[in-house]
Amino acid sequence: QKEVEQDPGPLSVPEGAIVSLNCTYSNSAFQYFMWYRQYSRKGPELLMYTYSSGNKEDGRFTAQVDKSSKYISLFIRDSQPSDSATYLCAMSRATGANNLFFGTGTRLTVIP
Amino acid sequence: GAGVSQSPSNKVTEKGKDVELRCDPISGHTALYWYRQRLGQGLEFLIYFQGNSAPDKSGLPSDRFSAERTGESVSTLTIQRTQQEDSAVYLCASSFRGVGALGGYTFGSGTRLTVV
Repeated sequence: QKEVEQDPGPLSVPEGAIVSLNCTYSNSAFQYFMWYRQYSRKGPELLMYTYSSGNKEDGRFTAQVDKSSKYISLFIRDSQPSDSATYLCAMSRATGANNLFFGTGTRLTVIP
Repeated sequence: GAGVSQSPSNKVTEKGKDVELRCDPISGHTALYWYRQRLGQGLEFLIYFQGNSAPDKSGLPSDRFSAERTGESVSTLTIQRTQQEDSAVYLCASSFRGVGALGGYTFGSGTRLTVV
């Protein structure tokens, strides 16, 4: 079993829709959770990171962590064609960890 | 430079040949990481540098893979006797100290390696 599971999609939604992206994980030692966005032929860029269970909001993006269920989500409100990208979840055991554990990524297309 | 620079951006090589991939981190970033991204799979950690030492090489998949770093600057990932399963995008990231876990990574655009 992979440590981080993520549905690869692809996911297509109309412009303006609310998008829900999810990851599950098996290792209860993970404490830090991140979402990266990766455009085609580019490296991943950090969107959001969270530490504790609960919600964190940044503009149209909301990250949600449920440690009891080992489940994290990223919600995108009022989705735009420019949001079309691959979204990767990532997690880490500690602040000083040397590496992150990534999901496979979900490819999202927002149709105008 | 302004970002993490990787070269070449694309590399096609014949099976059995050696390849060298280069990463120029952001100036001042002491930590440098190499990841591999195979089609349909998540990023796999390969190696971590702090300065020019590599305290964590646990992700290197075989002894055909090696990496070095000059001071707190350029790093080279070398793959000897390439195999088709080495085909992937190789991503480099850098950060201040070892704060990658808090999202301090900046990734380069990667080198797309194809072994034929």
